[in-house]
Amino acid sequence: GEDVEQSLFLSVREGDSSVINCTYTDSSSTYLYWYKQEPGAGLQLLTYIFSNMDMKQDQRLTVLLNKKDKHLSLRIADTQTGDSAIYFCAENPYTGTASKLTFGTGTRLQVTL
Amino acid sequence: DVKVTQSSRYLVKRTGEKVFLECVQDMDHENMFWYRQDPGLGLRLIYFSYDVKMKEKGDIPEGYSVSREKKERFSLILESASTNQTSMYLCASSTQAGWQPQHFGDGTRLSIL
Repeated sequence: GEDVEQSLFLSVREGDSSVINCTYTDSSSTYLYWYKQEPGAGLQLLTYIFSNMDMKQDQRLTVLLNKKDKHLSLRIADTQTGDSAIYFCAENPYTGTASKLTFGTGTRLQVTL
Repeated sequence: DVKVTQSSRYLVKRTGEKVFLECVQDMDHENMFWYRQDPGLGLRLIYFSYDVKMKEKGDIPEGYSVSREKKERFSLILESASTNQTSMYLCASSTQAGWQPQHFGDGTRLSIL
């Protein structure tokens, strides 16, 4: 079955870049997503990437996909205190109808001054 | 913007009560989902629905049921609440296109005493 793994915690200084990593096991995964969860809130979609892409950039966010190693990363440039949150990666094997996602356990990003 | 609204942010109920969690989306999405989120376990899918009156079990359906009488509304029902159902519950919706990302509500933090 599908499995998605993330490290639990990352601490960076304000202004530095953050890199959050994710590995997944389902080789048929076609779509991969990054979500952000602030304290006490739901999940906010940040970005997503299709398996026919290697990279996607959206303002301060860069997503890199290495399909051979089944490795996904999210880079946040010029990290700010408002970026402190839990970040989830999720994979979608897209078996047909509803887009069932498998989520990682989340990486807590702490931004220090 | 997609809006997914969960009826309560915080809810406290007693063991044995029947509990209803409501979710409404305003984007005419076909698919709706209920997850629970627990520390260290990430998000786990309870039930989902890809059409009115249709439902499918997720990974942890035991102790729960759902109702989807209208397209915009998806209800999660705890038939007889137990303390191990104390959790954060998240509702999400997505379009019929299987690759489309899910959009989440703000969550309901449910405590069963």
